[in-house]
This record gives sequence, structure tokens and C-alpha cells, in this order.
Amino acid sequence: GAGVSQSPRYKVAKRGQDVALRCDPISGHVSLFWYQQALGQGPEFLTYFQNEAQLDKSGLPSDRFFAERPEGSVSTLKIQRTQQEDSAVYLCASSFGVRSTTTDTQYFGPGTRLTVL
Amino acid sequence: DAKTTQPPSMDCAEGRAANLPCNHSTISGNEYVYWYRQIHSQGPQYIIHGLKNNETNEMASLIITEDRKSSTLILPHATLRDTAVYYCIPQRGEYGNKLVFGAGTILRVKS
Repeated sequence: GAGVSQSPRYKVAKRGQDVALRCDPISGHVSLFWYQQALGQGPEFLTYFQNEAQLDKSGLPSDRFFAERPEGSVSTLKIQRTQQEDSAVYLCASSFGVRSTTTDTQYFGPGTRLTVL
Repeated sequence: DAKTTQPPSMDCAEGRAANLPCNHSTISGNEYVYWYRQIHSQGPQYIIHGLKNNETNEMASLIITEDRKSSTLILPHATLRDTAVYYCIPQRGEYGNKLVFGAGTILRVKS
């Protein structure tokens, strides 16, 4: 498709369950970002990939959060032993990410709304 | 990262121009001004960006003051579908930089 896609769009988990959220970036985009958006707030950065390399994971809130992009395309955000405070919308964004460009616009997917009961 | 100040909310009549201000007085010389919007239940959508010159595209115009301490996003003929939260975000141009979202401005377009 032409844009960033995410699946599932909605996920309900019981506290303590593990979840996996998928992001399909725009084809050819080198950079991939994950953001977390709590209700009523702006998105907050979680982690950044350049191809398969995770270059910045400073925003991951705990070691229960893990992200991967093994082949430099699709990415998965995994949350282990989910807690109620993990309830949020998880957004994925991709960008062209080529050194020769002077600006690098991020394009977002629709997000996955996670509800932890 | 430069801090931004935006009004919490604004109303605009359908068909009129919507002018959304943003103060970014601590912006660095190598930071662009990016504008995104987020319509309810959707991901943020890129609108426009600029460094120091005014910019226009099919969605909007961006006016940046000469000292670069503030900018205004202009939607020339607002429609109901423009109702959204609008974010002004200073960001360095090179790739790999995370976006730092503030609270944004809730724009309500009314018929």
C-alpha cells in the first residue's frame, strides 16, 4: 500500500499477557519510529530504527518493552506482562531517512489502540 | 529541543481562513518548523515545514517571522474535515530525529 499500516488496529489484553504490535512502513523507507500516545496527550517517542539497527531506545518505558526490525522492513513492538498503565495508542512512523536529504518527514500509521484490563 | 507555545484551542467558521500561531523562541538555527495535525482516531498527518522562508503547498501556508521565533500555519479555506489537533514541532533536518509533540492546538471548524 501507499502508506504506513499497523495491525491490529485494536487489541484488548488481560493484565499480565504479552502482546505484539506490527508496523509495515512505506516501502523503501529506511527510518522507522515507534511512539506511544496516552489518552488526551501528544505522542511520545519510544524507539528508532535505521534499517535493522535500533539506534535509539531511550523512550522505552521499561524492560518489558521490546522492539525489533530484523530485515529492515516490518517492525514489531512487543510488550511483556502488560500492565494497565500500558493502555495507549501505539503509533508507528517511517521516513525516507537518507543522508543526502536535508529534511526527513515522518509519515504515520493509524495506530494500534491497546487496552489492558 | 526547542519548546513551543500554542493556544490550547481555536474556533473557525467553515470557509474562512484558519490562522494557527506557534511561539518557538528558543529554536536553533538548524531546526526546521514542522506542522502536523491529528484528526480524531487517526495517526498524525504531515502538513508542511519550513526553515526561514514562507512555504505553501496544497494543504496550507506557513509564515515564519524573520527572527524565526514564531510561525503561523494558515489553512486558507477551512472545512469541517480540518477539525483536528495541530502540532508545531521544531526539528533538526537530518534523518533519525524523533518528533517531540507538545499539547498542540485543538482547531474546531464550525458550520
